[in-house]
Amino acid sequence: EVQLLESGGGLEQPGGSLRLSCAASGFTFSKYGMTWVRQAPGKGLEWVSAISGGGGSAYYADSVKGRFTISRDNSKNTLYLQMNSLRVEDTAVYYCAKLVVYARGAFDYWGQGTLVTVSS
Amino acid sequence: DIQMTQSPSSLSASVGDRVTITCRASQGISNSLAWFQHKPGKAPKSLIYAASSLQSGVPSKFSGSGSGTDFTLTISSLQPEDFATYYCQQYNSYPLTFGGGTKVEIK
Repeated sequence: EVQLLESGGGLEQPGGSLRLSCAASGFTFSKYGMTWVRQAPGKGLEWVSAISGGGGSAYYADSVKGRFTISRDNSKNTLYLQMNSLRVEDTAVYYCAKLVVYARGAFDYWGQGTLVTVSS
Repeated sequence: DIQMTQSPSSLSASVGDRVTITCRASQGISNSLAWFQHKPGKAPKSLIYAASSLQSGVPSKFSGSGSGTDFTLTISSLQPEDFATYYCQQYNSYPLTFGGGTKVEIK
C-alpha cells in the first residue's frame, strides 16, 4: 500500500525558514517523480514544485522560485521542501504527491498534508 | 504558462443527478489532463488521468473526455459522498497548473 506522510509544518515568522519532509512507502521511490502542492486558506490547489525520480531535474512555480528548494533522498525514501524567505502568502496546507512516471505526468497518490503558518 | 479555466465555479445538485464540469486550457495540451476530488480536511483524491482514464479504484460513475483545449468531467449519478470540490490540472508542461475548482453542493 502506497503511503505518503508529510511532516515539518508549523508556525514561522516572515523571513524565516522551514523544511518539510514527505516519507514514502509501498513503492520503489527512486522510480517516480514527486511533487508538492499547496492550498492556502479558502483558496484552491496550487502546484509548488516537482522533482524527477533520480533528483536530477527540479521544477518550481514562479511564486516560490529562488526561495524554495525541492530535493529527495532515495536511500531514505524521503522527499523534502526547503522553504526560505517565507512570506505570509506561503501560509497553506502543503501536500506531497507521487507522479505516475519518472519526470512529468499525472499524480496518483497524495499525502494528508502539513500546515505551514507564516505570521508575526 | 498554461491557464486552466473551470466552469462553473460552484453548482447545486441533488442525489441522483448527472453533473458535468468543464475545463478549458489556454493552449493545446493534448490529453495531458487530470481531475481531482478534494474534501475539506482530507487529502485530494486522483480521479482521472490522460483526460479519460480512471485511476485505480475510482468508480465508473466518474468519466472524463476531451482533448486539446476542452475537457469535461461527468458524474453520472451523484451520491452523498461525491459532494466536494473538483479540480482539473494540466501536466503537459511545467509549470503545472490547476483550474480554480468547482464546488459541488447539495441542493
